[in-house]
Amino acid sequence: GDSVTQMEGPVTLSEEAFLTINCTYTATGYPSLFWYVQYPGEGLQLLLKATKADDKGSNKGFEATYRKETTSFHLEKGSVQVSDSAVYFCALSRPDSNYQLIWGAGTKLIIKP
Amino acid sequence: NAGVMQNPRHLVRRRGQEARLRCSPMKGHSHVYWYRQLPEEGLKFMVYLQKENIIDESGMPKERFSAEFPKEGPSILRIQQVVRGDSAAYFCASFQDNTEAFFGQGTRLTVV
Repeated sequence: GDSVTQMEGPVTLSEEAFLTINCTYTATGYPSLFWYVQYPGEGLQLLLKATKADDKGSNKGFEATYRKETTSFHLEKGSVQVSDSAVYFCALSRPDSNYQLIWGAGTKLIIKP
Repeated sequence: NAGVMQNPRHLVRRRGQEARLRCSPMKGHSHVYWYRQLPEEGLKFMVYLQKENIIDESGMPKERFSAEFPKEGPSILRIQQVVRGDSAAYFCASFQDNTEAFFGQGTRLTVV
C-alpha cells in the first residue's frame, strides 16, 4: 500500500542554520505531495504542496521539490528561525483513492536561539 | 469564510461516559476526515465521510466509535463508554475534490 517515511526527530538546530527534513514515499500512480506544519497546541496547516513531478512547492522560505525518480519530497529552508519550531508532516494523496491523505509520522523541529 | 470549526476544544469525560466531538467543515466542503493523534505521535486516520455517507471507516475501532455527517449540521464523532486509552487529540479536516485539506484546531479529549 501507499506509505510515507520521514526522518525521525527531534531535529535540533541553531537559529540561521540550514534545514533539511527528508521525506520519501511509496505510491502507485501520480500522487500529490504535501508538507503540513503543526505548531504547539494547534491543528495542522498546509505549508506547501506539489502536484506533479519536478514541481517545486514553496512558502515562508521553505521549499520542497517533487522528485519522482527518487520518490522524495524533502523539505528545506536556508535559514531557520526560532518561530519555525514545530512538528512537520509529509503526506501524499491519490485522486483515485478518494484523495485520502497518507501521513508520515511527523518530525519535530527544535530551533535554539 | 470561516475555517474548519471543531468544538469543544477541550473535553473531559469520566470513564464510561460518552464523548461527542463536532466538526463543521469549511463552507462548500462536503468531504470530512477524522484523525486521532496520541501525544508525541503522528496522525492516525479514523474515518472518511461525505454528506450522509461513510466512505471509509477502516481506521475506526469496531466498538464504541461511530461517526456521521448528516445532510444538515456538523459531522459528529461519537465515542461511547470512554476509556483512558481514548485520551488524545482528535482532528477533523475538510476538503472538496482536489483541493487541499483544511484542518480544525482539534478537540483534546481527556478521560479521567
